[in-house]
Amino acid sequence: GQQVMQIPQYQHVQEGEDFTTYCNSSTTLSNIQWYKQRPGGHPVFLIQLVKSGEVKKQKRLTFQFGEAKKNSSLHITATQTTDVGTYFCARPPRGAGSYQLTFGKGTKLSVIP
Amino acid sequence: NAGVTQTPKFQVLKTGQSMTLQCAQDMNHEYMSWYRQDPGMGLRLIHYSVGAGITDQGEVPNGYNVSRSTTEDFPLRLLSAAPSQTSVYFCASSHRTSGYTDTQYFGPGTRLTVL
Repeated sequence: GQQVMQIPQYQHVQEGEDFTTYCNSSTTLSNIQWYKQRPGGHPVFLIQLVKSGEVKKQKRLTFQFGEAKKNSSLHITATQTTDVGTYFCARPPRGAGSYQLTFGKGTKLSVIP
Repeated sequence: NAGVTQTPKFQVLKTGQSMTLQCAQDMNHEYMSWYRQDPGMGLRLIHYSVGAGITDQGEVPNGYNVSRSTTEDFPLRLLSAAPSQTSVYFCASSHRTSGYTDTQYFGPGTRLTVL
């Protein structure tokens, strides 16, 4: 019920190629958060999406929230070696804050220079 | 601000030993949480707190205790360590702002091995 499914689990791209990871839920989400974890590091907050159909950009990163608020995606244009890491989506339970996040299993991105 | 700090960074325990993982934050955040991260499993919530004196269980609470006597500190206690508790443990804190934006700030983690 509260799970979020993330695909793919792994992605290897050549530097300069684009990358997309998808996050899907069987239930409607109040909001979705995205985090990045560098190898050996800790998760770092990237963004939160709240509104149906919302699209937000951070430089080469584009985040989308589906119209039905059941899915989300993160797209990176022209990947760089600095993009290496694992990207997680995370959802709070209904009526609760981000202190109770349920994380997807993540997409591990490798960038071949 | 130091943000969220965790000690120790690394720990090796023998089965049956007990220990406390320390977590502190200096951002005056109301909310604090403990997660464990295992390969291929993402992060799973162990316990959380919405304020001093208030704690509750997350997805995987068995074998762990927490307390929140102050806003700043949120220690995680392993009562009798088991090999299944070998993991990386992250503490996080957050502050509820207007609307939905309540970013979680994670500590650097504690890498625990139970033999």
